[in-house]
Amino acid sequence: AQSVAQPEDQVNVAEGNPLTVKCTYSVSGNPYLFWYVQYPNRGLQFLLKYITGDNLVKGSYGFEAEFNKSQTSFHLKKPSALVSDSALYFCAVRGPLNTDKLIFGTGTRLQVFP
Amino acid sequence: NAGVTQTPKFRILKIGQSMTLQCTQDMNHNYMYWYRQDPGMGLKLIYYSVGAGITDKGEVPNGYNVSRSTTEDFPLRLELAAPSQTSVYFCASRDSYYGYTFGSGTRLTVV
Repeated sequence: AQSVAQPEDQVNVAEGNPLTVKCTYSVSGNPYLFWYVQYPNRGLQFLLKYITGDNLVKGSYGFEAEFNKSQTSFHLKKPSALVSDSALYFCAVRGPLNTDKLIFGTGTRLQVFP
Repeated sequence: NAGVTQTPKFRILKIGQSMTLQCTQDMNHNYMYWYRQDPGMGLKLIYYSVGAGITDKGEVPNGYNVSRSTTEDFPLRLELAAPSQTSVYFCASRDSYYGYTFGSGTRLTVV
């Protein structure tokens, strides 16, 4: 069964420091992987996706993610965190072809301190 | 503005009442979805549709119904509201390249 795990409920980082939000996945077949961000009382906003191609995917707001097939990971990264990056981040994987859905992780709250 | 529009944004229902959450998209996407978000639980799929006239159950369909008479609209119906349906509901659509667009959500409280 397709699944995705975000092992950290919260990540704290100082402004200006690099940040990493972790995601691991379990799929049958080729994975389609996604990162979304949610600000308070808002819907989910798309950051980036991996379907095929380069393992390093660049997305919105300076975020990037590295697809690692051997480690079944798709960690979200940013070289220099901003206070405005503080939000809830969701990793997701496309479900089985016959169901066509996104399977979400439980989310990681990123807190960037000034 | 192109996107997914959900109404209402907030609603309080009494147990046993019914309501319809509206969702409209103007991107001509065939695929549409309803998710619910509970604290610490991520998003769970309620129902989805791959085109007008076609709907199917997701992970948590009990207590809900949907219809898809047009490409643009995908309403979610709650027939007999229960406290367990207190949640934030998100509608989404996607294009052929797996670009998903989410609405801003409906916060529903059942008392």
